[in-house]
Order: sequence, then C-alpha cells, then structure tokens
Amino acid sequence: DIQMTQSPSSLSASVGDTVTITCRASQSITIYLNWYQQKSGKAPKLLIYAASSLQSGVPSRFSGSGSGTDFTLTITSLQPEDFATYYCQQSYSIPFTFGPGTKVDIK
Amino acid sequence: QVHLVESGGGVVQPGGSLRLSCAASGFTFSRYGMHWVRQAPGKGLEWVAFIRYDASNQYYTDSVEGRFSISRDSSENTLYLQMNSLRPDDTAVYYCAKDADSVGWTFDFWGQGTLVTVSS
Repeated sequence: DIQMTQSPSSLSASVGDTVTITCRASQSITIYLNWYQQKSGKAPKLLIYAASSLQSGVPSRFSGSGSGTDFTLTITSLQPEDFATYYCQQSYSIPFTFGPGTKVDIK
Repeated sequence: QVHLVESGGGVVQPGGSLRLSCAASGFTFSRYGMHWVRQAPGKGLEWVAFIRYDASNQYYTDSVEGRFSISRDSSENTLYLQMNSLRPDDTAVYYCAKDADSVGWTFDFWGQGTLVTVSS
C-alpha cells in the first residue's frame, strides 16, 4: 500500500496569512494526488485534484503543486471559513490512501 | 446539484450485520463509479470500497475484504454496503462518495455520513 504523510500535523495561523501544507507519498504517484477540506462534523470537500487542478466552485486562494512523491497545498490570504482539517489522498492505486490530516486553527 | 444521502447506520453487536444505503440524485447515477469512505471517531479518513459504474468490478480495503460487500441498484439510484461480521474497529461514520471519473480515483461529492457503532 502507498503510505501518505503530511506536515505539519497542525498549525495556527491568522486571517490573511499564507499557509502551506506538505504531503509526501511513499512511492511515486505522478500527479494522482487530491486535497480535501473537512470542517468539524461535516463531510470532506474536494479542493484540488490531479495535484494542481482546482475543483469547480473552490476559491482561487487554494492552489496545489507537486508531482512524484512531494506535494503542497497553499492557501493564500487565509479566510475565517478556511479553518479546518486538510487531507491529501493518493488516487494512483488501490487501496486509495489518505494522509493523517493537517488541522489549521486560529492563532 | 449532486445530492447523496446515507442511511442505515446504528448500534450493532460484534459479529452482527448492517446494510447501509446511499440515495443519489442530481446526476446520472448509472454513469459513475461510487465509493464508501469511513472515519472512526476523532480519526482520519479511510477508503473502504469502490464499485464501477456498471457494477462489473468491486474493490475493497484489506480489513473489510470478505466481510463487506458493495453493490448498486441503478434503477433506484442507490448504493449499498452490506457489512457482516462487524468488529468494534468498524465503528465509524460511513460516507458514500461519487467518483469524479477524471484523473485517478477522486471523490468529488460526499454524503453527510451515517454513524455505525459496533459495541456490546
């Protein structure tokens, strides 16, 4: 199975900050990497697919980059509604695995 | 708009069975693969199972293989997860999710989830 790691596991930030979350795969997954946002008590929401493609309806302050084993999610000008947990997920091979999550909270 | 509504969760004893349902609307259900993803209380996300758009293939994570069965009824726009021989570590919120049918396997829409608790 492909193992996914994320760093940091949590971070505190202020409204207006730029935040970067890193995801690493245990083997190359080319660009088969997705990012999801989950707010407390809610279902996850797709933000980025194929490493850098923005899902329809997602604000442009969210962006993704990377390929192979190393990926990043960047949120520029953090908004109050962005405080949530973020998960990466490899869509390269079964079983589809998620990273452990990065919780972004208010400083 | 895409709408997915899970049902069928509840409390069940270890070794028991439960069948989850996911009612789909707002898209052509018969054209898309579907997934089940679960989340244990306070934990991360775990993919459970996938069924192709035409039900020709099903795939499972190792920990549920042989105990869970994913199926679909495209005439009813409904996805199912039959869960047998349930264990305490199956306790989780179970989400159904639509496959995006794009690059790789991507969960582009999710239901609100249904809680399954396995406890004596």
